[in-house]
Amino acid sequence: SQTIHQWPATLVQPVGSPLSLECTVEGTSNPNLYWYRQAAGRGLQLLFYSVGIGQISSEVPQNLSASRPQDRQFILSSKKLLLSDSGFYLCAWSVKGPWGELFFGEGSRLTVL
Amino acid sequence: GDSVTQMEGPVTLSEEAFLTINCTYTATGYPSLFWYVQYPGEGLQLLLKATKADDKGSNKGFEATYRKETTSFHLEKGSVQVSDSAVYFCALDSGAGSYQLTFGKGTKLSVIP
Repeated sequence: SQTIHQWPATLVQPVGSPLSLECTVEGTSNPNLYWYRQAAGRGLQLLFYSVGIGQISSEVPQNLSASRPQDRQFILSSKKLLLSDSGFYLCAWSVKGPWGELFFGEGSRLTVL
Repeated sequence: GDSVTQMEGPVTLSEEAFLTINCTYTATGYPSLFWYVQYPGEGLQLLLKATKADDKGSNKGFEATYRKETTSFHLEKGSVQVSDSAVYFCALDSGAGSYQLTFGKGTKLSVIP
């Protein structure tokens, strides 16, 4: 069966520090991968998606970046965090082709102080 | 563009009460519609879906019917339990080749004994 894991689960970082959140998927090949952010009262915002290794599309201009160094690995990064980067970050995957279900990771809670 | 509007929360109900969470949408083409649920501290998981007009999605006692004439996909449950306390998200896939779901802002449900 397919599983998705992301870490760390909780992170407290000072303003201006770097960020790296990692997500891995097991049990499937060539998935679409996604990073969402959930801010209080604002629902889910798609940040990045990837349809293959090295292919990243950004939905929202920001100081975050994403990379997909391997088929089932998706990394969210920042060189310098802002207060506004605080939130709950969710990684997700889906199969290729006609739309079906998104499968979400457990989420990473980021607090920038 | 596509959009999803769901009722503002939070919603507080007593155990065994009837639940309705309203969801309406705007989309081009023939979207698929979804309800996702997020339990405290976790990622989202698919609750139910409907892929064409008049379809009824159901799972764990929850139901939602795809109403094209009213562009709605309201979530209902006849008798809620404390364990149903969560945030519920309505979402759509326009089916137009987009790689993202469009989510509503979420409705927080609290069920009290």
